Amino acid sequence: SQELEQSPQSLIVQEGKNLTINCTSSKTLYGLYWYKQKYGEGLIFLMMLQKGGEEKSHEKITAKLDEKKQQSSLHITASQPSHAGIYLCGAGITGTYKYIFGTGTRLKVLA
Amino acid sequence: KAGVTQTPRYLIKTRGQQVTLSCSPISGHRSVSWYQQTPGQGLQFLFEYFSETQRNKGNFPGRFSGRQFSNSRSEMNVSTLELGDSALYLCASSFLYDRSSYEQYFGPGTRLTVT
Repeated sequence: SQELEQSPQSLIVQEGKNLTINCTSSKTLYGLYWYKQKYGEGLIFLMMLQKGGEEKSHEKITAKLDEKKQQSSLHITASQPSHAGIYLCGAGITGTYKYIFGTGTRLKVLA
Repeated sequence: KAGVTQTPRYLIKTRGQQVTLSCSPISGHRSVSWYQQTPGQGLQFLFEYFSETQRNKGNFPGRFSGRQFSNSRSEMNVSTLELGDSALYLCASSFLYDRSSYEQYFGPGTRLTVT
């Protein structure tokens, strides 16, 4: 079955440091979505990537999708405590209306 | 525009009982999906509705069911609750849910605790 693997599972960084979260699929993705979740709350949509090689930025967060559309990275520059939370990647399964999520990366930013 | 709303936000039930959760999508959104989130299994897809029709279902037992009304509001029901059903249940809506690309907007979730 198609799965999304995220790494690392958890991350603790000092405020101001840069960090990268990866999301990998064994199959070609037809759209990769990044979300952020505060503990126990709903998901907040961050970015959507559809084309191979695509890169998008929002404030200090940049997401990229590789040319083969099997791997995406989320990069946070100069992290702040407000960046703390769980980051999840998601993708639709080709030919269905199902949607799968990565295993999640729990980020903690130390002030 | 109001976001996705879910009611109730918190719920405590006893094993064997049944529960109904409600989701109101963003105005104009016709697709509603439900997910279960647990620490052990992460986020798992339950089912998706579009224009009152269930288009797909995840790998959950028949105790989990749902429906969508003509105003796109959706409910999910879990019968004969088990301890393992304790989870955060998330609802998401989207305007155009096709198989290649869509954005989903999530509600705050309903935290269900089964004792």
